[in-house]
Amino acid sequence: DAKTTQPPSMDCAEGRAANLPCNHSTISGNEYVYWYRQIHSQGPQYIIHGLKNNETNEMASLIITEDRKSSTLILPHATLRDTAVYYCIVRSGGSEKLVFGKGTKLTVNP
Amino acid sequence: GAVVSQHPSWVICKSGTSVKIECRSLDFQATTMFWYRQFPKQSLMLMATSNEGSKATYEQGVEKDKFLINHASLTLSTLTVTSAHPEDSSFYICSARGSIYEQYFGPGTRLTVT
Repeated sequence: DAKTTQPPSMDCAEGRAANLPCNHSTISGNEYVYWYRQIHSQGPQYIIHGLKNNETNEMASLIITEDRKSSTLILPHATLRDTAVYYCIVRSGGSEKLVFGKGTKLTVNP
Repeated sequence: GAVVSQHPSWVICKSGTSVKIECRSLDFQATTMFWYRQFPKQSLMLMATSNEGSKATYEQGVEKDKFLINHASLTLSTLTVTSAHPEDSSFYICSARGSIYEQYFGPGTRLTVT
């Protein structure tokens, strides 16, 4: 079973920041937080991952709370092409499996 | 970034026939590949983990005799759906492990069984 809880859907205006929350209150010390997204009828795309420090790459920023029980994925300037289902996944470094929950369907509106 | 391809991208087959789906890592070697299935409006469900040169590990509830997985090389894994039935119609997605931290997904194969 997925170890994360995400809102089922969110809306965002084009050009604004999209902040997608994720709760993972049972996360253990060796587990990483991963974010993937899936655009309709395509395979998932890796976005970012982190352990406890905040992370940033060319796609997004990942903010992890100090107690690591929740995190937020930030798309700084959302575009229409960012409309997708976003999955927050918790995975231990020693495990290869990615267990997908239901994710958040983000709709970016013009 | 690393690229994973799948072939075919879509396939229609008749009930009772078998269909093979290929998953290739194009610019890296993958000792481990994964096969997922996704029904409409649902999330991805892991079916099996495929390791090069050894038998696949299937998730609970997945019939290993029905979904045959072969990982004969470091860049190719195949999934064969045997004796397909309409309920096997789904979106099949593979992924390949690049580093310990990253998995790269293929574009998926849409299977329709008539």
